[in-house]
Formats: sequence, C-alpha cells, structure tokens
Amino acid sequence: DAGVIQSPRHEVTEMGQEVTLRCKPISGHNSLFWYRQTMMRGLELLIYFNNNVPIDDSGMPEDRFSAKMPNASFSTLKIQPSEPRDSAVYFCASSPLLGDTGTALRSGANVLTFGAGSRLTVL
Amino acid sequence: AQKITQTQPGMFVQEKEAVTLDCTYDTSDPSYGLFWYKQPSSGEMIFLIYQGSYDQQNATEGRYSLNFQKARKSANLVISASQLGDSAMYFCAMREGYTGANSKLTFGKGITLSVRP
Repeated sequence: DAGVIQSPRHEVTEMGQEVTLRCKPISGHNSLFWYRQTMMRGLELLIYFNNNVPIDDSGMPEDRFSAKMPNASFSTLKIQPSEPRDSAVYFCASSPLLGDTGTALRSGANVLTFGAGSRLTVL
Repeated sequence: AQKITQTQPGMFVQEKEAVTLDCTYDTSDPSYGLFWYKQPSSGEMIFLIYQGSYDQQNATEGRYSLNFQKARKSANLVISASQLGDSAMYFCAMREGYTGANSKLTFGKGITLSVRP
C-alpha cells in the first residue's frame, strides 16, 4: 500500500497565482480530509469528504479556496488567487468511512492516515 | 470551548526514562475516539495509539500507552523508555460520533518533546 500520496511536496509561487494541490487517498478509504498546518493556528480542518461528497467545509477560509473530489481516488485543493498568508503545510488524510452504530469507533479502523504534506510558500 | 487541550508548552525527558504528555478533551457525545499522533522534524504525521470511549482497558502499543480517565476527560500519553528518536511534536486528537457527518478529527495544539542523551 503506497499510503496517501500528495503532490507537489513543495510549491513556491507568487501572490495572485493559482495553486492546485493534489491528493490520492488509500484505496478503499472513503473519507478524505484536507488540513492546513501553521505555527500560529496549528492543524486546522479545511474540508472533508465522505464517498466523494463534501460533508463539512466550514473550515475553508474564504472563497479563494475550493476543493473537489471527482472520484474515490483523487482530490484537489485549489487556491485562487493565492496570498502570502496562505503559506502553510497542507495535509491530506484518508480513513475508512465511519459506518453504522457501534462499529468504527470501537476499533482502530477509523484512524486517519496522513500524506507527507504539501509545503506552500506564497511570496 | 476547545475540544482538545494540550497545555504543556514543551517537555524534556532523559533518555530511557518515562514521560507523560497531557491531553484533556471536551465532548457531550458518548461515542468518540481519542488519538495520538507524532510529528517529527521531517513533518510527517505518524499515528501512535487509539482509545475508544467504550474501551474498558487503556490502550497500549509497544512503548506507548494511553492513560484514559473518562470521568476526568483526560487521555494522557505515556512513553516508556524514551529514545532520542522520540523527540518530536505530539498531537492529541478526537473524533466524535458514529455517523460520517460528524466524523472529523479535531487536534490539540501539540506538545514538543525533547529527549536528552
């Protein structure tokens, strides 16, 4: 199993440019999460999907951010236009879908596996 | 209110000694899971240990154990026989509820652990 794969690992861009971050979750994991990590704010959940459907996007900072999951094996996080304050490490994570009563939370099956992260620097 | 609280700003431990990293949580949901992740300087997030709210026994994984005190809403991580490679940031996290709609993982601010030789 290759784990959660993120690309690019590093991105340096200028303010105003469009940035697209990509994620391939672990096969069979039907929940996908995008997190952002900064020194000031720690790890923040931006958005998460279950079965390719966005469930909670309340953490998306503003309209400049958008995320899609066109199929079970691919997701993108897009920032347009980018700003220096968007500089951060963006993590994608996946997990098995939490199922019906009593199952997933009574086992470690609901563990999130993280990708290596995409470090974004906006100049 | 914060869901996960990690108040220790930084911890130091001598190699081969045990160390406890504190975590308290806040939830009204009877069904939840508690997690600890390690983030070394290389940046990856490494899962260490999991405790379910209905688990009767404290979780253990090798040198890691979780001191789960449900009434106090605490889930402290205990690392026994510390190694230099344990120097990292440690995050406590919680996932609430059974249904997918509430399944997000919320993290604390993290604790930095430094192991001295």
